[in-house]
Amino acid sequence: AQTVTQSQPEMSVQEAETVTLSCTYDTSESDYYLFWYKQPPSRQMILVIRQEAYKQQNATENRFSVNFQKAAKSFSLKISDSQLGDAAMYFCAYRSGSNQFYFGTGTSLTVIP
Amino acid sequence: GAVVSQHPSWVICKSGTSVKIECRSLDFQATTMFWYRQFPKQSLMLMATSNEGSKATYEQGVEKDKFLINHASLTLSTLTVTSAHPEDSSFYICSALGLLSYNEQFFGPGTRLTVL
Repeated sequence: AQTVTQSQPEMSVQEAETVTLSCTYDTSESDYYLFWYKQPPSRQMILVIRQEAYKQQNATENRFSVNFQKAAKSFSLKISDSQLGDAAMYFCAYRSGSNQFYFGTGTSLTVIP
Repeated sequence: GAVVSQHPSWVICKSGTSVKIECRSLDFQATTMFWYRQFPKQSLMLMATSNEGSKATYEQGVEKDKFLINHASLTLSTLTVTSAHPEDSSFYICSALGLLSYNEQFFGPGTRLTVL
């Protein structure tokens, strides 16, 4: 089975600074999708960014970007110009070819004013 | 974007009773819906995958007779916690895969269940 590992239970960043959250995964598949989700205190899961494994170009959504290293099975999230509203739990997720989703254990991000 | 609703948002029940949680895709049809359980400060644990018109597929360790899942239509899936016990208290989240959004799941806001 696929596994998703987030090695940073907690991270903090100064407002307006940049922070990188790490994620690694294990799979034998060649075609899959990767996601970063944000879960604020409301607990509503919000999609931050997604990456198709067949695309070499790293996905970018405004202040959020990923560093996708397929060979290393690494999928880190970079948040630039951090804002107070970015404070949340962040989950890395893997979607297999059979529509199964696997989540990492999460990283709690604190933004310091 | 696609919207998924859950009802109720929170429920308190007595031990031994059954509780039904509804998950609806409001503006799209969902061939597949997922049910997750989340304990405080922990990740989402997939309980089962339900496909419209067929039996749900349960993850290992999840009691199918205790957590009954029905996916009667392309917009509705229900999770019934039967004979609830305090250890069933948790946050339950559903998500849906759209017919056209095959690579993304849309999450409901979750249901907090407290069993006394």
